[in-house]
Amino acid sequence: DAKTTQPNSMESNEEEPVHLPCNHSTISGTDYIHWYRQLPSQGPEYVIHGLTSNVNNRMASLAIAEDRKSSTLILHRATLRDAAVYYCIKDAGGTSYGKLTFGQGTILTVHP
Amino acid sequence: NAGVTQTPKFQVLKTGQSMTLQCAQDMNHEYMSWYRQDPGMGLRLIHYSVGAGITDQGEVPNGYNVSRSTTEDFPLRLLSAAPSQTSVYFCASSRTSGKYNEQFFGPGTRLTVL
Repeated sequence: DAKTTQPNSMESNEEEPVHLPCNHSTISGTDYIHWYRQLPSQGPEYVIHGLTSNVNNRMASLAIAEDRKSSTLILHRATLRDAAVYYCIKDAGGTSYGKLTFGQGTILTVHP
Repeated sequence: NAGVTQTPKFQVLKTGQSMTLQCAQDMNHEYMSWYRQDPGMGLRLIHYSVGAGITDQGEVPNGYNVSRSTTEDFPLRLLSAAPSQTSVYFCASSRTSGKYNEQFFGPGTRLTVL
């Protein structure tokens, strides 16, 4: 099962931190966790991905639970441009091509 | 770099017509893939390619053909369009496996089949 569980929607205020949760209880040892986001009428955009350790990049941080059954995407200071659908994806596993299965994602609304 | 480009942006077909959606990337990526996104849904993988001359099926391949004759191009052919193929189609590429590397997506082609 390649599915993850995310809340349907979340809201935040501009310049506040946002924590987007994701459950992936069926994850195996070689499955990466990927986060993509999709702004209105655009293609998905890569945000971050990780395996076990917490990861940081210029866009966000990814905190992965010790048992790897859940993770949290952290946007440190939300801007209006961060309003998008955020997809948490567990890849199909193995060492072959990463078949990313997109669920319905979390719709993030950012209030000015 | 132009990144991943897709043409056309919009297309209307009648049931039974065929057409090819074009996808090109200028990043010298080995991996390319096609997804479809139905209203209010996430993306579903149609076909993918791990290099020129190599393609494989994804989650929803029926009704679609692909070929990869060059590294840059990965066209998607609809053989006989059906209303169920009304969707937004996204092409993506990555340097190597999307498992380890970010995938870059094109802007999409919005297809309506009447």
